[in-house]
Amino acid sequence: GAVVSQHPSRVICKSGTSVKIECRSLDFQATTMFWYRQFPKQSLMLMATSNEGSKATYEQGVEKDKFLINHASLTLSTLTVTSAHPEDSSFYICSATPPGTMVEQYFGPGTRLTVT
Amino acid sequence: GNSVTQMEGPVTLSEEAFLTINCTYTATGYPSLFWYVQYPGEGLQLLLKATKADDKGSNKGFEATYRKETTSFHLEKGSVQVSDSAVYFCALSVGNQGGKLIFGQGTELSVKP
Repeated sequence: GAVVSQHPSRVICKSGTSVKIECRSLDFQATTMFWYRQFPKQSLMLMATSNEGSKATYEQGVEKDKFLINHASLTLSTLTVTSAHPEDSSFYICSATPPGTMVEQYFGPGTRLTVT
Repeated sequence: GNSVTQMEGPVTLSEEAFLTINCTYTATGYPSLFWYVQYPGEGLQLLLKATKADDKGSNKGFEATYRKETTSFHLEKGSVQVSDSAVYFCALSVGNQGGKLIFGQGTELSVKP
């Protein structure tokens, strides 16, 4: 149980374009989803907390207008990187929390974004 | 604030060796503690967890005990295998933080046959 998927797994885009990454909980409803960014050989940095039906809560230093998060349903959250630049190239990972617990998080496989 | 510190890697061991990866934390509340593992090319998987002091989490031969007095949650395994090669992340979650996970920097483990 508790499977989280991400799409796409890899994406290459040109500088200045926007890219959307989807995170889906496949076998449970997730009231809360989290978006992380991971640089090579480094830890995960929490970017934002996404709650279904409400605005995302962003961590300090994360640009809200650049990293748009939408959590329109209990099984889907999207992260849109707007006007991407090469420094946005990274590994983006989402996680989802089943209802009734704020302890367990299940992680997606990640999306490798490369901006050229 | 809340933070997690792990021993630096990479750690290289021979098969069947004993493994310890140190993890210490600072937290303003009463955290839950986790170890996640990331195999090459894959996402993070929960390895084990402990939600209160003196709890021992265990899974797949790995163990970690929540030590409040030393604010530690060291990961141990008595006999590692080549298939244990991965990056291990220690993390904490404080209940009043909405379930947010704070991760350590990760420790890369390489097990040689």
